[in-house]
Amino acid sequence: ETGVTQTPRHLVMGMTNKKSLKCEQHLGHNAMYWYKQSAKKPLELMFVYNFKEQTENNSVPSRFSPECPNSSHLFLHLHTLQPEDSALYLCASSGPDTDTQYFGPGTRLTVL
Amino acid sequence: GNSVTQMEGPVTLSEEAFLTINCTYTATGYPSLFWYVQYPGEGLQLLLKATKADDKGSNKGFEATYRKETTSFHLEKGSVQVSDSAVYFCALRSNDYKLSFGAGTTVTVRA
Repeated sequence: ETGVTQTPRHLVMGMTNKKSLKCEQHLGHNAMYWYKQSAKKPLELMFVYNFKEQTENNSVPSRFSPECPNSSHLFLHLHTLQPEDSALYLCASSGPDTDTQYFGPGTRLTVL
Repeated sequence: GNSVTQMEGPVTLSEEAFLTINCTYTATGYPSLFWYVQYPGEGLQLLLKATKADDKGSNKGFEATYRKETTSFHLEKGSVQVSDSAVYFCALRSNDYKLSFGAGTTVTVRA
């Protein structure tokens, strides 16, 4: 399997639930990203990891907790979310020899 | 700071029509410029890119030329198809690794 994969593709959760989003890249890249895509808004960069170290936290609320155990995997742990957190969450990766980011298909999250 | 402004949609066209989506940018340094496309229910895919002034990116019949003098990177296609219906995002990458995206333009092509 190649490219960037994300699971689950769809997730519905209550405000008191805890869930996790998973991203995996098979491109040998060293940097991974979480973005939030809401209706009628530009993509919002949430977190950046470079060689497993977090290098960017774009003022994201603490109810979103990222984890990067290795350069190929990235998680987004979710707890006590709000309905306004409903969005498409996109993962991307990039390598040291390219300025191009490659995106996964996203997880469509609905918070009830 | 860096920013990208692209024309608001939605844009509705008939098949074989000419498509232009305007994109202008503000950036420090010498950014790389990108167009990404998002088909319904999918993530973003790189459509084309240009890394320096006067470069032309092209792919699948789409073209965009990096114009430093007008700080623009307009996307064009001479004859669109129904399968080109998607949301198109202009983006730039400046000296760091972060991408700045425009708001996206929804394009619908009717048969």
